[in-house]
Order: sequence, then structure tokens, then C-alpha cells
Amino acid sequence: GQQLNQSPQSMFIQEGEDVSMNCTSSSIFNTWLWYKQEPGEGPVLLIALYKAGELTSNGRLTAQFGITRKDSFLNISASIPSDVGIYFCAGYSGAGSYQLTFGKGTKLSVIP
Amino acid sequence: NAGVTQTPKFRILKIGQSMTLQCAQDMNHNYMYWYRQDPGMGLKLIYYSVGAGITDKGEVPNGYNVSRSTTEDFPLRLELAAPSQTSVYFCASTRTGIGEQYFGPGTRLTVT
Repeated sequence: GQQLNQSPQSMFIQEGEDVSMNCTSSSIFNTWLWYKQEPGEGPVLLIALYKAGELTSNGRLTAQFGITRKDSFLNISASIPSDVGIYFCAGYSGAGSYQLTFGKGTKLSVIP
Repeated sequence: NAGVTQTPKFRILKIGQSMTLQCAQDMNHNYMYWYRQDPGMGLKLIYYSVGAGITDKGEVPNGYNVSRSTTEDFPLRLELAAPSQTSVYFCASTRTGIGEQYFGPGTRLTVT
């Protein structure tokens, strides 16, 4: 089936630093979604991207839909302790598919 | 709106027992999904539904059954619980089938 390769697997950063993570695929995706999951909770949608090249922000978070349609990037600026969690990318490959494919997540730790 | 709700939050089953995980949404979404999440992994799709009376298998359907008699509810049935079904189960819904999915808080199931 479809696979999304998400990197890095984990990150330890100092509070105030910027963070970048990405998601790649060998096949084309028509929609990219970025989620954050905190311990014991369900994933919460952060940003949705629908067009190749699209750049969308949500507060300190910015995500981009790669122009090849095979990748997406998430940046967090000026990290704070509450950014801690696991960030997942997910995508729809289109062609009538209603199934969302998920990456394995990037675990973010912020050192105060 | 309560969004997506799931019950129970936790459950311990013995091998061979059966149970139903409940999921409900009050957003009038047509599309509903069941995922399982194992430690360190992304979410894997078990079953999904595109509307009342219509269900289809996802990536990992074996050992599970679903039904969708109303727009609001999408229960997941485990008939003969096995240790391999120990996982966290998430229900999600979306309006369009290729858009943003909203998740419930999850059910943590242990089979011993």
C-alpha cells in the first residue's frame, strides 16, 4: 500500500529554536494533512493543504505542499514547551480513494 | 458540538471475549473511520464508511466488524479478542471523504 516516510523520527530542541520536519512519498498525494498528538489524546488537525506549492500558516506553524506532490514540510518557529508531542503527516492519494495514509510521526521534545 | 466521541476510554478483555467500541459524531459527517495505533507506529485503517449502510475494509480489517445504521454512529465489533488486538483505537469523521478528518479521544484496549 501507500507509504509516507516521515523524518526525523525524534527531535530534542531548546525552547525558542525553530523546528523543521518533512514527509515524503514515492507516489503522488492530492491532499496533505498535519496532525499533533499529545499523550493519551487523539490526533488534532493543525494544517490542511490542498494544492501543489501551497504554503499555509497556523500561528507559529507553517506547512507546505511540495510542488512534486510527493512531499510536504512542517515548520514550527520559536518553539515553546507546549509544542511537545508527536507530529504526524497524512495524505490522500486521490483516484477515488477515501483512505488517509499516515506517516509514523516525529516525536518533538522541547528543553526549557 | 461534542465532535467525535468514543466509549469506553479503557477496557481490558480476556482472550476470546467480545466487545463493541462505540463511536458517535454530531457534525453530520458522511464519512467515518476506525484506526488502530500501535506504539511507535502511525495509524492504520481498519474499516471505513461513506454513509449509512455502506462500509468497506481498510488496511487491517481481520478480526473486526462494523456496521453503520445511522449517520451519527459507527460501532466497531471485536468478536474473539486476541492479544494482537491490544492497541489504541481511534474513530474519525470527515464531511467530504477527501478532507480534514477529526478524531475522537481513543479507546485503549488490552487483551490478556
